[in-house]
Amino acid sequence: KAGVTQTPRYLIKTRGQQVTLSCSPISGHRSVSWYQQTPGQGLQFLFEYFSETQRNKGNFPGRFSGRQFSNSRSEMNVSTLELGDSALYLCASSLAGGTQVDTQYFGPGTRLTVL
Amino acid sequence: AQSVTQLGSHVSVSEGALVLLRCNYSSSVPPYLFWYVQYPNQGLQLLLKYTSAATLVKGINGFEAEFKKSETSFHLTKPSAHMSDAAEYFCAVSGQSGYSTLTFGKGTMLLVSP
Repeated sequence: KAGVTQTPRYLIKTRGQQVTLSCSPISGHRSVSWYQQTPGQGLQFLFEYFSETQRNKGNFPGRFSGRQFSNSRSEMNVSTLELGDSALYLCASSLAGGTQVDTQYFGPGTRLTVL
Repeated sequence: AQSVTQLGSHVSVSEGALVLLRCNYSSSVPPYLFWYVQYPNQGLQLLLKYTSAATLVKGINGFEAEFKKSETSFHLTKPSAHMSDAAEYFCAVSGQSGYSTLTFGKGTMLLVSP
C-alpha cells in the first residue's frame, strides 16, 4: 500500500506571496493532519480534517488554512508569507482520527523556504 | 493540557552500546504514547506505540519502550546500537479523548560512532 505523499517536496517563495501544499493520504484513511516543523519551535499541530470538515485546529494565525476533498486528499494554504513560515510541513493520515489510539502515518514533508 | 519532555537534545553512543532515550509526559487523561524516528530530509516513521495493552512495547528495528505510570515516563531503549540508528527521535502523546492529535517533544538526536 502506498504511503502518504506530499507535493511539492521543495518550494521557494518570497515574502507576501501565498503557497498551496498538497497531501494524498494512505488509501482508506479519512483523517488528514498537518504539522509544522521548525528548529526553534519543533513540531506543532496546525489542523486536522475528516470528511471534508476541519475537526481540530492548532494555535496558528488565520493565514494558515486548509481543506479536504471528497477523496480525502488535502491541501493547506499559507497566505501573505512571512520569513518565519520557512519550515518543513508534514502531513499525516490516519484511519479515522477520532480516538487517541489512532496511529498517524507521516509523509516526507514539503520544505518551504521564504526569502 | 498535555506535554512531553525529552531529556537531552543529543545523545552519543558507540556502535554496539545500549541506547536509552528519555521521555516524560504530562497528561490529564490516560495517555497514548508514541515514538517516531526521523532520518535526514524525511518524514516521521512510527517506531512503536503504547495503548495500555501492555507496559512493555516492542517496536521496529529492535527498539522497545516501557510505560511507567508512577514515573510518568516512556523511555526508548535498544540493547545494541547500529550506525543506521543515527537519526532524530521524537516522543509524542496523543490528544484529549476523542482526538488523535499529537503533541511532540523537542526531539533527541542520536549520534552513533564506530
